[in-house]
Formats: sequence, C-alpha cells, structure tokens
Amino acid sequence: QSALTQPASVSGSPGQSITISCTGSSSDVGGYNYVSWYQQHPGKAPKFIIYDASKRPSGVSNRFSGSKSGNTASLTISGLQAEDEADYYCSSYTSSATWVFGGGTKLTVL
Amino acid sequence: QVQLVESGGGVVQPGRSLGLSCAASGFSFSTYGMHWVRQAPGKGLEWVGVISYDGSNEFYADSVKGRFTISRDNSKKTLYLQMNILRPEDTAVYYCAKAPGGPNYYMEVWGKGTTVIISS
Repeated sequence: QSALTQPASVSGSPGQSITISCTGSSSDVGGYNYVSWYQQHPGKAPKFIIYDASKRPSGVSNRFSGSKSGNTASLTISGLQAEDEADYYCSSYTSSATWVFGGGTKLTVL
Repeated sequence: QVQLVESGGGVVQPGRSLGLSCAASGFSFSTYGMHWVRQAPGKGLEWVGVISYDGSNEFYADSVKGRFTISRDNSKKTLYLQMNILRPEDTAVYYCAKAPGGPNYYMEVWGKGTTVIISS
C-alpha cells in the first residue's frame, strides 16, 4: 500500500491554470477509474471535488476538472482564485480492496 | 443535511486501547459504506479502513490491520473504530466519511474529526 505520488507544491497567479499530477501503478490508479480528489483548507476537514477520475459533484466549481491516463491522474484548476489556496489530495481504490491517498500537494496562489 | 460527528478522542498511553464513535444523521445510514481516515499532525491523509453498509465486510490499511476494528450499529446510526495496542504513530485526527455506495466508493461527506494523542 504505497502512497500515490503527488508534487509537494504547486503555485500559480490568479486567473492562471495549474495541474496537479497523481501517479500510482496498475494496481490502483491504472487499474480503476475510482480516483477521487479532495481539497483541504488549514484546520478544516477535507472536501471531495472530483470522483471517478473526471466527474465533478454538484456544487463544485466547473473550474475544477480531472482526468486520467494510464497510471497517472491529474487535477486541473483553471481561473485560479485566492480561495483555491489549499492542500489537495488524490485517492485511488486498489486491487487489495483498500484505498490509498497521495502525499498531498500544497497549492499557493501568488 | 448529511452530518457526521466523531467523538471519543483523547490522550492515551502507548499499548492501551481507545474507541471512537461517529454519529450519523440526515441520510439512510444503513444503506452506505463508511470509511475512517486519519491525519497525523502536519502530515497528509491516510486511509484507515472501510465497512460495508451491513457490516459484513471490512477492509483495513496494513498499518492498522490486526489492531483496529471497524464496526457499526445501524439501529443507532453510529460507526465505531476500536483501536488496540496503540502506538505513538497512531497520533492523528481521525475522520469518519460516508461513501455514496459500497466500500469501493470514495469519501463523499466527512466529519470534522476527533483528535487522538498517544503519549506516555
């Protein structure tokens, strides 16, 4: 159950777009479309923003989008806003019927 | 609205046991799988385990397998996490989370968490 690999940090200016990658293996990300993404502001509980790799729940801004290719999933945030500054985590279902998270990515809006 | 409230956290000595609860409201609790996820101070999220809607299936992270047990009482709309042989590395905020389906579904709604500190 090795953690998925995410960049430790990314940054962007307001209005720009950024992409956060999440790399796993054929036993997790590559084997299922059960990849989800979570946003966590400091001191708060996580909030899910993407499920099934690319689906966005109602109420989540359409500036958030997800995709997957092979063993790597990606989260793209377009039109960056100050409120997007947070930690972002990916998660995937695995062949062991367990779940695994990425190490998290800190997004800084410059 | 869907609400999850964790309780039972506290300071416990290494090697001892502690039980956490998660009270659910605003949805048909007995229909959905439920997860536990933890976050050590200053660290990322770590999945702990999941239980099916009827309690017939449980799956755990290797780091807690054999020490932690997830259970549920659908009549009380409550999820439990029994933690035994606690270690300092179990220190974390523990969140319960609702899945929109079975154990192979993501964490849709999260509670605010309860803090567990393992220290002598």
